[in-house]
Amino acid sequence: QSALAQPASVSGSPGQSVTISCTGTSSDIGDYNSFTWYQQHPGKAPKLLIYDVTNRPSGVSSRFSGSMSGNTASLTISGLQAEDEADYYCSSYTFSSVVFGGGTKLTVL
Amino acid sequence: EVQLLESGGGLVQPGGSLRLSCVASGFPFSNFAMTWVRQAPGKGLEWVSAIDGSGVSIYYADSVKGRFTTSRESSKNTLYLQMNSLRAEDSAIYYCAKNMNTAKYDYWGQGTLVTVSS
Repeated sequence: QSALAQPASVSGSPGQSVTISCTGTSSDIGDYNSFTWYQQHPGKAPKLLIYDVTNRPSGVSSRFSGSMSGNTASLTISGLQAEDEADYYCSSYTFSSVVFGGGTKLTVL
Repeated sequence: EVQLLESGGGLVQPGGSLRLSCVASGFPFSNFAMTWVRQAPGKGLEWVSAIDGSGVSIYYADSVKGRFTTSRESSKNTLYLQMNSLRAEDSAIYYCAKNMNTAKYDYWGQGTLVTVSS
């Protein structure tokens, strides 16, 4: 049971927006301002999408945005494209380790 | 260009050992902490271990503590993961990743597959 809970799957049509949530379920989460999101296409390594809740590394599309409310971080993908179909993982850290959410499979219909 | 290239994976029997390597290039290796993350087939990501830039501070997941040892060799820009007493549940793709900051990884290797089976 991960300390970060994500929905197993979400879906959307091209052009739509989807939001993936990540809820901290443990009081061990060290810093709720330090949520990170990764995108992973099948057979590929994860790619950093969002760090520190809202920051995008250079080269990441502005269609990806992050937010936080209480103990729930969210990743919003706007203007869905076929290439966005992938697995998405949130991450943070506890006082003794790094934790990942279970992952959310995004299907573009 | 930052590159991370893992090697050393393969098939090993339960109870056996394996050493993974990750050769880094394109950034000042000694200045950055490095991390191992694994992913069992069809499963999610699992943090395994991290080591600071100097190699002094090393951290492990409870699932591997006492069996795995992380080290780094700055002269070779190489990160290592020595895995002993391997179990079936250690079967996974092992990725090395460069720390951008605490618990944030901006570059990942392509991964190396470890299969523990008799």
